[in-house]
Amino acid sequence: EVQLVESGGGLVQPGGSLRLSCAASGFTFSSYAMSWVRQAPGKGLEWVSVISGSGSRTYFADSVKGRFTISRDNSKNTVYLQMSRLRAEDTAVYYCTKDPQENELVWFDPWGQGTLVTVSS
Amino acid sequence: DIQMTQSPSSVSASVGDRVTITCRASQDISSWLAWYQQRPGKAPKLLIYAASSLQSGVPSRFSGSGSGTDFTLTISRLQPEDFATYYCQQANSFPYTFGQGTKLEIK
Repeated sequence: EVQLVESGGGLVQPGGSLRLSCAASGFTFSSYAMSWVRQAPGKGLEWVSVISGSGSRTYFADSVKGRFTISRDNSKNTVYLQMSRLRAEDTAVYYCTKDPQENELVWFDPWGQGTLVTVSS
Repeated sequence: DIQMTQSPSSVSASVGDRVTITCRASQDISSWLAWYQQRPGKAPKLLIYAASSLQSGVPSRFSGSGSGTDFTLTISRLQPEDFATYYCQQANSFPYTFGQGTKLEIK
């Protein structure tokens, strides 16, 4: 069974940094792209970033480009989202998700349970 | 960026009804469209990908159609567990974008 478990969320001050982690199990991790999608309280879904299985390709939403980086450690079956220069509008539940198809970077399934990031002074 | 617009924003229906939700892209996205279901307090779940392909394990009462800029999600014979919020997502080009969501409520 595929499992995605996020961690690292919490309260951070504006301008601060935070690193989210997503531990994966139940599939050949290096064969699948991994993404982060966020959801502000009471709002819709916003795609944040994706990284290919090898880690050679990464893409970002315009709203986080230059502030967030995505990386993965295929030996640890873990993907990371390093967030810096955080703003109040980054407050959201951050979901980790994988593409259901090998070597693709298009769809999201399944999803983790999410981790809440709150940016506030 | 490609804008995705769903309609309606909310809809009320009864168990057993047939419901259709529409998603329109601001430019041609071919069949690069997915539909997700999100129940309250839960993570989203992929229902349909490539506009009309049913994700494994998803009941056959869910179906998707369309290509280019106009897409539909149809749920035939609504079940109690189908009352949720539905999102479309385009994967034609980065940045990927979602529709604003359609809340399906019990009448």
